[in-house]
Amino acid sequence: GAVVSQHPSRVICKSGTSVKIECRSLDFQATTMFWYRQFPKQSLMLMATSNEGSKATYEQGVEKDKFLINHASLTLSTLTVTSAHPEDSSFYICSARTGQNNEKLFFGSGTQLSVL
Amino acid sequence: GDSVTQMEGPVTLSEEAFLTINCTYTATGYPSLFWYVQYPGEGLQLLLKATKADDKGSNKGFEATYRKETTSFHLEKGSVQVSDSAVYFCALSNRAGNQFYFGTGTSLTVIP
Repeated sequence: GAVVSQHPSRVICKSGTSVKIECRSLDFQATTMFWYRQFPKQSLMLMATSNEGSKATYEQGVEKDKFLINHASLTLSTLTVTSAHPEDSSFYICSARTGQNNEKLFFGSGTQLSVL
Repeated sequence: GDSVTQMEGPVTLSEEAFLTINCTYTATGYPSLFWYVQYPGEGLQLLLKATKADDKGSNKGFEATYRKETTSFHLEKGSVQVSDSAVYFCALSNRAGNQFYFGTGTSLTVIP
């Protein structure tokens, strides 16, 4: 089946630094990629939707200047957490799909971010 | 707004036991419903889906029926195996396909 690779799986950083998370679709072209955040024992919360070649659409309450999303190609999207703070510590998951069909939605394995 | 409420875990069962994980939803219109599974160290994988009322999704012995009257999509399996140990997520997609909502996930551990 389709594979989405997310890297790194775990990152620990100091407060004030920036962290980049990559999401790659390995065997299909992802016209749309989604970024989610999950706090312990809570639902995955959609942060933003990115379409290749255009600016990401952020959900209400998500700071676009803090969570920079780039979807420069059909196989790669990146999420950069800028000037990270301890409250940004969370589990981040990307997903990718081709076309409009959510039945063809594939997920990365997630990134656990810990900000000290 | 649209949302999904999922039974809290963790759930621990003996091998060959019957499994039910409850999921109810709130949505406008006619959403599609999904169950995803996440095995340790892996990404979420689609387990089964249903796109309209009374549809039954099934895969790997798991089943779920789209019940519009009770707004539910409960996951069931008649006889669980150790290899079914994972986190299960109920999810909803609106018809336009531009919104996807997840439940909180239910961790299942099956012991021999």
